[in-house]
Amino acid sequence: AQTVTQSQPEMSVQEAETVTLSCTYDTSESNYYLFWYKQPPSRQMILVIRQEAYKQQNATENRFSVNFQKAAKSFSLKISDSQLGDTAMYFCAFMTLNYNTNAGKSTFGDGTTLTVKP
Amino acid sequence: DAGVTQSPTHLIKTRGQQVTLRCSPKSGHDTVSWYQQALGQGPQFIFQYYEEEERQRGNFPDRFSGHQFPNYSSELNVNALLLGDSALYLCASSFGRGFSPLHFGNGTRLTVT
Repeated sequence: AQTVTQSQPEMSVQEAETVTLSCTYDTSESNYYLFWYKQPPSRQMILVIRQEAYKQQNATENRFSVNFQKAAKSFSLKISDSQLGDTAMYFCAFMTLNYNTNAGKSTFGDGTTLTVKP
Repeated sequence: DAGVTQSPTHLIKTRGQQVTLRCSPKSGHDTVSWYQQALGQGPQFIFQYYEEEERQRGNFPDRFSGHQFPNYSSELNVNALLLGDSALYLCASSFGRGFSPLHFGNGTRLTVT
């Protein structure tokens, strides 16, 4: 079974501080992509950062970076210099391919609600 | 640059009825995926359409069906609605197949009474 576990249902952080959101996953596939998405109260899911499983170097996107531990199947998200606009639900996901159709399928965790306090 | 648009925004239906949700992909995208997001949970993959064909399907019954049109827009149809079908239905578009990142719409909130 392919699963994603986000063990922190809720987290909070002071503005300008750093916070790390945890994610572990389970898949038997060797080729996949990992993603973090942000879903603010407006509902629209937005891509934050992505990581190819074959790349050892951790992805970085401005204030967002990941710690990818492939052997441990762990993919945490670090947000530096937290801003009020970072308040949202964050979803960890991985994408695998149907090799017959080359169609991608994403499996999501249940999310972590992050609140940035002023 | 128009993003992914979904209609309607909200919908209330009675158990046993049928519903059709609509999605227009982001400009330049040709692949559409549908996800169901129950309250307090992450999105669950329903299916993906590319070149007007269903390319992959998640663990959803045949009551869930879809269609993709030549202009890449898509519909999600759900027959014989159950109370458990109440959820936020998200449409996501991408370019081509493979590991393309998803661009999501704002979703359609379906309530079944």
